[in-house]
Amino acid sequence: RKEVEQDPGPFNVPEGATVAFNCTYSNSASQSFFWYRQDCRKEPKLLMSVYSSGNEDGRFTAQLNRASQYISLLIRDSKLSDSATYLCVVNIRAGYNFNKFYFGSGTKLNVKP
Amino acid sequence: GAVVSQHPSRVICKSGTSVKIECRSLDFQATTMFWYRQFPKQSLMLMATSNEGSKATYEQGVEKDKFLINHASLTLSTLTVTSAHPEDSSFYICSARDYSIQYFGAGTRLSVL
Repeated sequence: RKEVEQDPGPFNVPEGATVAFNCTYSNSASQSFFWYRQDCRKEPKLLMSVYSSGNEDGRFTAQLNRASQYISLLIRDSKLSDSATYLCVVNIRAGYNFNKFYFGSGTKLNVKP
Repeated sequence: GAVVSQHPSRVICKSGTSVKIECRSLDFQATTMFWYRQFPKQSLMLMATSNEGSKATYEQGVEKDKFLINHASLTLSTLTVTSAHPEDSSFYICSARDYSIQYFGAGTRLSVL
C-alpha cells in the first residue's frame, strides 16, 4: 500500500467553481502535512502547510483529519491560473535519523474558461 | 522564503558520459537534502537522502554506484550520474529541508543521446 494516495484526476472545472481534493495517508506516525503545487515541467512549490485545526490562505482551505488519516484542499472561485497538479505531502519523523517526506502521485486540476 | 538553487537546468549529453548536478540552499543551512527523479506524467520518486558529512541513504532499487551523491557542506549537495545512458533521461529535482518544510530546486532536465 502506498504511503500517500490521491485521486489522479483530472478534475475539469469551470472558472469560478469550487473544487476539493482529498488525500489519504497510511502511517499514523505522520506528523506534518503539506500541499504542493506543480506546474507542467516545473519543480513543486509549497502551496500551504496543513495544521491540525485547519487553515486558510485566501481562496485555499486545508483540513486535516487525523482520526481518518486524510487531508483535504478546497479551492474556491477557481482561476485559470490554478490549473496545475496538486501534490499531497506527508512528513514522518522517527528519531534523530529518520525524517522522510512521502509524496502522493498528484491530482491534476484543469480550470476551463 | 527559503531558496534552493539547482544547476544546470538542462543537460544534453552522449551516452557513457557522466553528468554532475549541483543543489545549493541559498539562505539556510540544510543538513539534509533529497534527490528525486520524475518521469513524464509520473510522480516524484525519491532516489536518495543526502546527509551532510555522512553517506547518502539510497532508496530501494537506486544504484549508489550509478548515482553518486556528495554532501560536503551544509549548503551544497551534488548528484553525479555516472556513465549515463538513454534510460537515465529524466527530470532530476533536489530539495532541501528547512525545519519541517522542503524547498525544491528548479530541476535539471537530463537528455542522454
